[in-house]
Amino acid sequence: GESVGLHLPTLSVQEGDNSIINCAYSNSASDYFIWYKQESGKGPQFIIDIRSNMDKRQGQRVTVLLNKTVKHLSLQIAATQPGDSAVYFCAETVTNAGKSTFGDGTTLTVKP
Amino acid sequence: NAGVTQTPKFRILKIGQSMTLQCAQDMNHNYMYWYRQDPGMGLKLIYYSVGAGITDKGEVPNGYNVSRSTTEDFPLRLELAAPSQTSVYFCASSRSQPGKNNEQFFGPGTRLTVL
Repeated sequence: GESVGLHLPTLSVQEGDNSIINCAYSNSASDYFIWYKQESGKGPQFIIDIRSNMDKRQGQRVTVLLNKTVKHLSLQIAATQPGDSAVYFCAETVTNAGKSTFGDGTTLTVKP
Repeated sequence: NAGVTQTPKFRILKIGQSMTLQCAQDMNHNYMYWYRQDPGMGLKLIYYSVGAGITDKGEVPNGYNVSRSTTEDFPLRLELAAPSQTSVYFCASSRSQPGKNNEQFFGPGTRLTVL
C-alpha cells in the first residue's frame, strides 16, 4: 500500500548549522509534495511544496529536493535557528485523489 | 479570518461515552479533513469532505462518524469511546483538492483521553 516514511526520527543540530530532513515515499503516482512544520502543541503549518515536474524548489532559508527515481524528498534548512525546533512532516498527494498521505515526522532540535 | 477553529481543546471521556468534536473554518474552503495523531506518530486521515453534503472515509474511519451540512462546519462524532481513540485530533481545510498547489490549513487540535 501507500506509505510515506522518514529515514531519521530525530535530528539535533547546532544553531547556525544547516539541517537536512529526509523523506521516502512509495507511491510512484504521487505528483505533489508538501513539507509541514508542527510546533509543540500546535497544528501543522505549511512550509514549502513541490510538484513532480520539478526537482528543486527554494523558499526563504528552505529548499526542497525531489528525486523521483528513488522516490526521495528532502528538506534543507539553512542557518538553523532555535525557532526551527519542531516536528517536520512530508505529505504526498496524487492529484485528483482528494487527500494526502503523511509521513511519521522527524523531530528537529536546535541547540543554542 | 479566524482560520480553522476546533473545540474543545481538551476532553477526558469514560469508555462507552460519546462526544462530538467541533470544527469550523471561515475561509470558504470546500475541502475539510479530520486526522488523528498518536504520540510520536504522523497524521492518519479519519474522514474527509469535498463539499457540503459529501463525506468519504479515510485511512482509519472505524469508530467515527462525520457530517457536513454546511461549508463552514465539519463535526466529528465518537459514539462509543474506546481507549484506542485516545489521541490528538486535528481538523484541516483546503480551498480545493490537494495536488493543485494547494495546502491544508490546520486547526489547533483537540486532545482526547479515554479512560
